[in-house]
Amino acid sequence: AQTVTQSQPEMSVQEAETVTLSCTYDTSESDYYLFWYKQPPSRQMILVIRQEAYKQQNATENRFSVNFQKAAKSFSLKISDSQLGDAAMYFCALSGGYQKVTFGIGTKLQVIP
Amino acid sequence: EAGVTQSPTHLIKTRGQQATLRCSPISGHTSVYWYQQALGLGLQFLLWYDEGEERNRGNFPPRFSGRQFPNYSSELNVNALELEDSALYLCASSQVRASGGTTDTQYFGPGTRLTVL
Repeated sequence: AQTVTQSQPEMSVQEAETVTLSCTYDTSESDYYLFWYKQPPSRQMILVIRQEAYKQQNATENRFSVNFQKAAKSFSLKISDSQLGDAAMYFCALSGGYQKVTFGIGTKLQVIP
Repeated sequence: EAGVTQSPTHLIKTRGQQATLRCSPISGHTSVYWYQQALGLGLQFLLWYDEGEERNRGNFPPRFSGRQFPNYSSELNVNALELEDSALYLCASSQVRASGGTTDTQYFGPGTRLTVL
């Protein structure tokens, strides 16, 4: 079975500062994908960033980047220059094996003006 | 390009009734996934349909069922509703890789909020 663990139920960051959300996972698959999704309050879940396990280079999308440590099975999300609109629940997810996706329980991010 | 759509937005039922939730995937996507998001419990995988077939199922009782139509839209049915079925039900769609294996990125709909009284 594959697992995803987000050990930070809540985080806060000052506007314009940088914050890192943690995620660890476990899977027996050699080919898998990792995702960070964002779910603003009462709004739709949207993809923030994804990482293919076979790629050593960390994925980057504008102010969002990941630190993928395959051996440690760690996949953290760094948000730079935090904005008020970044306030949301952030879910880490693992897609491994045949069509099997597992989500973490989420980290609630608060952005302080 | 239209995203994943779900209907209805809200649904209120009483215990013992049946609920039907609908989902239309992004054009070109053949896979549809259903998740239950209960308060404080994250996303729990319910069902996966692809090409009209049920491909995988989460740890839910048989009263949770569904189907996928030839146009790839999908329906989730919940029979004999219980109070603990109250949750946000999310649908997601993706393309399935022709070679099999791990899926492409899942794109989510806005969800259906089911309340059981």
